[in-house]
Amino acid sequence: GDSVTQTEGLVTVTEGLPVKLNCTYQTTYLTIAFFWYVQYLNEAPQVLLRSSTDNKRTEHQGFHATLHKSSSSFHLQKSSAQLSDSALYYCALQLSGSFNKLTFGAGTRLAVCP
Amino acid sequence: DAAVTQKPRYLIKMKGQEAEMKCIPEKGHTAVFWYQQKQSKELKFLIYFQNQQPLDQIDMVKERFSAVCPSSSLCSLGIRTCEAEDSALYLCSSSGTNSAETLYFGSGTRLTVL
Repeated sequence: GDSVTQTEGLVTVTEGLPVKLNCTYQTTYLTIAFFWYVQYLNEAPQVLLRSSTDNKRTEHQGFHATLHKSSSSFHLQKSSAQLSDSALYYCALQLSGSFNKLTFGAGTRLAVCP
Repeated sequence: DAAVTQKPRYLIKMKGQEAEMKCIPEKGHTAVFWYQQKQSKELKFLIYFQNQQPLDQIDMVKERFSAVCPSSSLCSLGIRTCEAEDSALYLCSSSGTNSAETLYFGSGTRLTVL
């Protein structure tokens, strides 16, 4: 079946240092789009990044991700983590014919420490 | 603020009781999704509506839940007989009809089953 894998349950980084959250996927179907959602404490998940183009870098709020279909990956990165980035991050894929239904990864909690 | 509204914010039920939670999708959205989130981790897909019709749902929903979207402005998710394992945050999300559209989430209903 279709799946999204986020290998780290928790990533801890010091403020100002780079951070990378891993996301790989597996599917036999035609994919339409990939997303990163962020969920701050006691808030709703909200879209952070979206991409449907292979090998094209997408950026928003200092974060960036590049879809690599050759390696089935859509890793999230930021060059300088901020305390306010501490949150739960979800990678998700959207399949062709799925009516915009998202398949989410298990989530990675990012903790940025001073 | 989330354009998707969910009520109530918190719900406490005893084991065996019935529970009901409401969702008002973003105006103009015709696709409605319910997800279950336990302990701030994986977002588990439950059911999907398109133009008030359920088009996809997991077996657990078929067996123990009741979900309807009688109008484009109000949907509900119910649990006929609550079990302890149903304790979770239930998130409603909506999107437009075009493919690859972003899902917008409500803040959720946190259900606690005692």
